[in-house]
Amino acid sequence: QQQVKQSPQSLIVQKGGISIINCAYENTAFDYFPWYQQFPGKGPALLIAIRPDVSEKKEGRFTISFNKSAKQFSLHIMDSQPGDSATYFCAASMEYGNKLVFGAGTILRVKS
Amino acid sequence: GAVVSQHPSWVICKSGTSVKIECRSLDFQATTMFWYRQFPKQSLMLMATSNEGSKATYEQGVEKDKFLINHASLTLSTLTVTSAHPEDSSFYICSAREFGAGELFFGEGSRLTVL
Repeated sequence: QQQVKQSPQSLIVQKGGISIINCAYENTAFDYFPWYQQFPGKGPALLIAIRPDVSEKKEGRFTISFNKSAKQFSLHIMDSQPGDSATYFCAASMEYGNKLVFGAGTILRVKS
Repeated sequence: GAVVSQHPSWVICKSGTSVKIECRSLDFQATTMFWYRQFPKQSLMLMATSNEGSKATYEQGVEKDKFLINHASLTLSTLTVTSAHPEDSSFYICSAREFGAGELFFGEGSRLTVL
């Protein structure tokens, strides 16, 4: 059972453009939603995370938008750069610090 | 930031042998560690949760006798793949949670290839 659905599978964006990745969840008990960036052969690294009590969180070029009623959240990467080319995973957990359920991943390629 | 180290980064073994992968929290004490498995171009799938000093909790479908997890200290958890077979070839990743905190820190992963 896929508890966190992520789309698209892959994404190609021009340098300077906006990359948007979406996730939807089913379990209303989830209350922590992080996004991870993973480069080939490396472990995932936390990019940004949000709790359900806010609708948006911004850190630098990365923004999470959260829609609790729709059970959806998205990652926006502004001014996308070739160095952002990586696989991005959304995730969810029922408690901050508890086990994470990951989405399927999105392979992002930023063309220069 | 907190560092989680995995060793070895790469390991190749023959079918039927056992392989041990270590996960260490270098600058913090980790009461809880999580082990994930990632097949090529796929997502991370949680295998088990290990708490220091107690038995690991395995996810449904993960063979406890095949994937032995030990969390004997606050800075070290080990995953032993027993009687490895080619289908066990995968990228194994651990994450650790600092005692009293919530953020999870991930290791760099260990690539296992079983011939």
